[in-house]
Amino acid sequence: GAGVSQSPSNKVTEKGKDVELRCDPISGHTALYWYRQSLGQGLEFLIYFQGNSAPDKSGLPSDRFSAERTGGSVSTLTIQRTQQEDSAVYLCASSLRRTSTHTDTQYFGPGTRLTVL
Amino acid sequence: GQQLNQSPQSMFIQEGEDVSMNCTSSSIFNTWLWYKQDPGEGPVLLIALYKAGELTSNGRLTAQFGITRKDSFLNISASIPSDVGIYFCAGPPPRDNYGQNFVFGPGTRLSVLP
Repeated sequence: GAGVSQSPSNKVTEKGKDVELRCDPISGHTALYWYRQSLGQGLEFLIYFQGNSAPDKSGLPSDRFSAERTGGSVSTLTIQRTQQEDSAVYLCASSLRRTSTHTDTQYFGPGTRLTVL
Repeated sequence: GQQLNQSPQSMFIQEGEDVSMNCTSSSIFNTWLWYKQDPGEGPVLLIALYKAGELTSNGRLTAQFGITRKDSFLNISASIPSDVGIYFCAGPPPRDNYGQNFVFGPGTRLSVLP
């Protein structure tokens, strides 16, 4: 079956503009995650969805960042009034479900490379 | 927040050599995960460890969950060119033992010389 897909693969925008990044998780996966990866760095957790609700938004760096998920499937990460420090690769991952014994495997998409000029 | 440290930051090795890298934390982790990221791709899970002292293999890869629960190592035997990439350790913070809000280390960048 298809893996996690993200669009666009690359996005160049001007400082101050809003951007929307899309993630299509693996069909049937109830959990969805957004991460940010700056150049040469590890992954920084942003937000996690279980179904359509986001139990943990603690990683969102500012109120310019928001995310939603509809129908338990597609998710959109929105960055308003983009700043140059927002430039990074934004990765989405999904997992089947949350278990009580093991951490579910997260499957990652290829990411969206955002460049803010 | 929780911090994971990885060493070495980068390494160049000859094809066929064995590789060892490790991950440490100041806090106890109850799950350790090792991912590999190829250029332009998202990370792919290599090995998951769930119990202190656990030693798990996946082909030429072997990983161990440290007894102190504050470290883990990953070994690659007989490296080949396709092993090139960035290797990340990760885990859910202790406050969220079976959670999904992973913390990732900064990565070890592996380059293999032919």
